[in-house]
Amino acid sequence: QVQLQESGPGLVKPSETLSLTCTVSGGSISSKYWSWIRQPPGKGLEWIGDIYISGSTNYNPSLKSRVTISADTSKNQFSLNLNSVTAADTAVYYCARRGYSRPGNVGPYYYNYYMDVWGKGSTVTVSS
Amino acid sequence: QSALTQPASVSGSPGQSITISCTGTSSDVGGYKYVSWYQQYPGRAPKLMIYDVSDRPSGVSDRFSGSKSGNTASLTISGLQAEDEADYYCSSYTTSTSWVFGGGTKVTVL
Repeated sequence: QVQLQESGPGLVKPSETLSLTCTVSGGSISSKYWSWIRQPPGKGLEWIGDIYISGSTNYNPSLKSRVTISADTSKNQFSLNLNSVTAADTAVYYCARRGYSRPGNVGPYYYNYYMDVWGKGSTVTVSS
Repeated sequence: QSALTQPASVSGSPGQSITISCTGTSSDVGGYKYVSWYQQYPGRAPKLMIYDVSDRPSGVSDRFSGSKSGNTASLTISGLQAEDEADYYCSSYTTSTSWVFGGGTKVTVL
């Protein structure tokens, strides 16, 4: 069973870069889509962006200028960098997998339009 | 992209049915059959409850059902139980090849 675990600093100073890593266990990150989603204290969820492990990325238009998502297939990890952070970036950051199917475990992947596996979340506070 | 609109709270007595609405635009909810719903307990990660408007993942109770009309999707919980008390979020795929979530609805079992 696939499990996701976020890791990274819990405290980041304003104007600096927030960096988080999601380590995937129980399955390969290859040929799948992986997302970052955040939740400010007491507020709703916000999709940050995703990466397809062939290198393509999509970002939330409101965050696009500050976000970079990358992956390291040798470590089965993907990462989030968010630069020029402010207090408004304080949140719980989740990594998640986009659902997919692969009939018979051979041939093409079919990607679904929902997140079916989530990490437990990593709390990041932006403060000096 | 703006967040989808959900009521802040909905309540009901045990055994009753409640419905949570989720309103978007033709660029998200109205334009795709890709609305999903997530349940979240305090301090926990979201859990997928409904996908593709009305489909349930394996293991999710059939007391949860989803529907859509135009730009508004809905989640109905039938036979409300104490364990259903949680926050619920809708989500939709968008024309920007991205996802947008609702602001969340707190369900209270009276």
